Amino acid sequence: AQSVAQPEDQVNVAEGNPLTVKCTYSVSGNPYLFWYVQYPNRGLQFLLKYITGDNLVKGSYGFEAEFNKSQTSFHLKKPSALVSDSALYFCAVRDPRGGSYIPTFGRGTSLIVHP
Amino acid sequence: NAGVTQTPKFQVLKTGQSMTLQCAQDMNHNSMYWYRQDPGMGLRLIYYSASEGTTDKGEVPNGYNVSRLNKREFSLRLESAAPSQTSVYFCASREQGAGELFFGEGSRLTVL
Repeated sequence: AQSVAQPEDQVNVAEGNPLTVKCTYSVSGNPYLFWYVQYPNRGLQFLLKYITGDNLVKGSYGFEAEFNKSQTSFHLKKPSALVSDSALYFCAVRDPRGGSYIPTFGRGTSLIVHP
Repeated sequence: NAGVTQTPKFQVLKTGQSMTLQCAQDMNHNSMYWYRQDPGMGLRLIYYSASEGTTDKGEVPNGYNVSRLNKREFSLRLESAAPSQTSVYFCASREQGAGELFFGEGSRLTVL
């Protein structure tokens, strides 16, 4: 079975400060990991993914995420937050063994960037 | 390139009425999905279709049916709507391999 946890319902950060949105996962094998962003009244948009290779993954809008196998984490980071980064962020995991087509999503973390 | 298109964007139903949510993608993806999003619950999978001609139940299939009409289209039907089905519904598609999901803009359904 696969699962993902986003331990924070909300993260508050001041504009210009670094931000981190946390994600931990559980799968039996090597995971495929994803981050998505959802702006108000919009669908989810893909930010970045880890499949294999370098543990530090860079994505859209200056976001990056670090895959840590020993801690089973995939935290989303950005060096300097913008007010426009305020949105709902979802982490997702998929175990590719057996040809699984189904990603499991976390419950989401609301990021609020204060001016 | 339109991506994933959902219709309608908004719908209000009375309890017991039926309706179909339409979804079409123009990216030639094999896999398609229907999710519902409720406050505090994240995204929950209703049904998915790994490829044309196949459909499978997800986490919350009760009260719903789906049809994979062709490779492009994947519809979700509520035969007898209930207030518990008030939600925002998202259709998504995915290319083969390690691909990410592409989402539509959502359909906001209210059942009175």
